[in-house]
Amino acid sequence: EAGVTQSPTHLIKTRGQQATLRCSPISGHTSVYWYQQALGLGLQFLLWYDEGEERNRGNFPPRFSGRQFPNYSSELNVNALELEDSALYLCASSPGWTKGTDTQYFGPGTRLTVL
Amino acid sequence: AQSVTQLGSHVSVSEGALVLLRCNYSSSVPPYLFWYVQYPNQGLQLLLKYTTGATLVKGINGFEAEFKKSETSFHLTKPSAHMSDAAEYFCAVSLPRGGYQKVTFGTGTKLQVIP
Repeated sequence: EAGVTQSPTHLIKTRGQQATLRCSPISGHTSVYWYQQALGLGLQFLLWYDEGEERNRGNFPPRFSGRQFPNYSSELNVNALELEDSALYLCASSPGWTKGTDTQYFGPGTRLTVL
Repeated sequence: AQSVTQLGSHVSVSEGALVLLRCNYSSSVPPYLFWYVQYPNQGLQLLLKYTTGATLVKGINGFEAEFKKSETSFHLTKPSAHMSDAAEYFCAVSLPRGGYQKVTFGTGTKLQVIP
């Protein structure tokens, strides 16, 4: 069974540009979570999608946004990039909050570098 | 509300020695508890989880953790450290399903294994 996949592996942008990160969950999972892992700051929760709806978001500005598609894959968009957005962005999926355990399974991450 | 505290951001052990990584949680109801491992530049891999039942949980790579309600702890142990165990370890807590699900991660503990 394929795990969570993320693309691209690495992304280099300049300040003010937009970045789009993609995530495909494990087959059968309906929940997708996004986390930011910046150096020295641990995992910071960004967004949670389930069944196509945004269920919750963390304490991030509105320029961080995303969506979940009908096939449950997800996209994270970061607008007006700032230097401090440089981080490893992790996507995780789980079966969904109505289906039992909410164990999250993580993808390998996308390393975003803002110059 | 829930929270998790990992004591010690860095832990060093000799190869072959006992590994003990500490995690204490705070939760208004009996929680679900998780340990994840992250190798450099990779995503998080689930080591083990506690939901209900037996309080001693065995995971992959020889790790185990014991849920102690009276101490609100879920410490991770391994009898004999191996060089390949060098990584960052995250403890996480969530509330049982039945509503809004949020997984809260600790700040992580970097394990160094000394030859």
